[in-house]
Amino acid sequence: AQSVTQLGSHVSVSEGALVLLRCNYSSSVPPYLFWYVQYPNQGLQLLLKYTSAATLVKGINGFEAEFKKSETSFHLTKPSAHMSDAAEYFCAVSVYNFNKFYFGSGTKLNVKP
Amino acid sequence: EAGVTQFPSHSVIEKGQTVTLRCDPISGHDNLYWYRRVMGKEIKFLLHFVKESKQDESGMPNNRFLAERTGGTYSTLKVQPAELEDSGVYFCASSQDLGEYEQYFGPGTRLTVT
Repeated sequence: AQSVTQLGSHVSVSEGALVLLRCNYSSSVPPYLFWYVQYPNQGLQLLLKYTSAATLVKGINGFEAEFKKSETSFHLTKPSAHMSDAAEYFCAVSVYNFNKFYFGSGTKLNVKP
Repeated sequence: EAGVTQFPSHSVIEKGQTVTLRCDPISGHDNLYWYRRVMGKEIKFLLHFVKESKQDESGMPNNRFLAERTGGTYSTLKVQPAELEDSGVYFCASSQDLGEYEQYFGPGTRLTVT
């Protein structure tokens, strides 16, 4: 079975500071991992995905994530937060047939001026 | 290219009433998914259509929920009769094929049952 745990339902950083959103997964088979972002009144937008190629994945808007099998983690980072990064972020896992995603409970990122 | 659209954006109904949610996937996408997020918890899978056929409905909570996808285009999700615990945000997503990895999500329908 697959599951995702996102540590911290709310994270607050100052503009220009490092963003670190944590995601740990559980999967009985090799996973595919995703980060989605939801801005207010919008749908979920794909930030980046790990599909068994390079373990360090770069996404849109300067975000990146590293797949660490030994730690079963897929943490999302961005070196310097921008006010426009304020949103809710979701980590998700899928397996070989991609017919369903298993999501974490989400992390709301607040960026302070 | 238009994205996934959902209607209505918000719905407030009383317990025992019926509500129908609609999803229009991206044109040409054979795969359509329904998910639900309850009370700020995780987004949970409900079911998956391939064209007009239900491929996986393992996440449907109970028989008060009925999903259809007529002609393999838009989909509806009917809740009848609605209960308080059905409140939440219902997301629809679509993908062209399973090997594409990414699912494209709509903005969701916020359902409130009072």
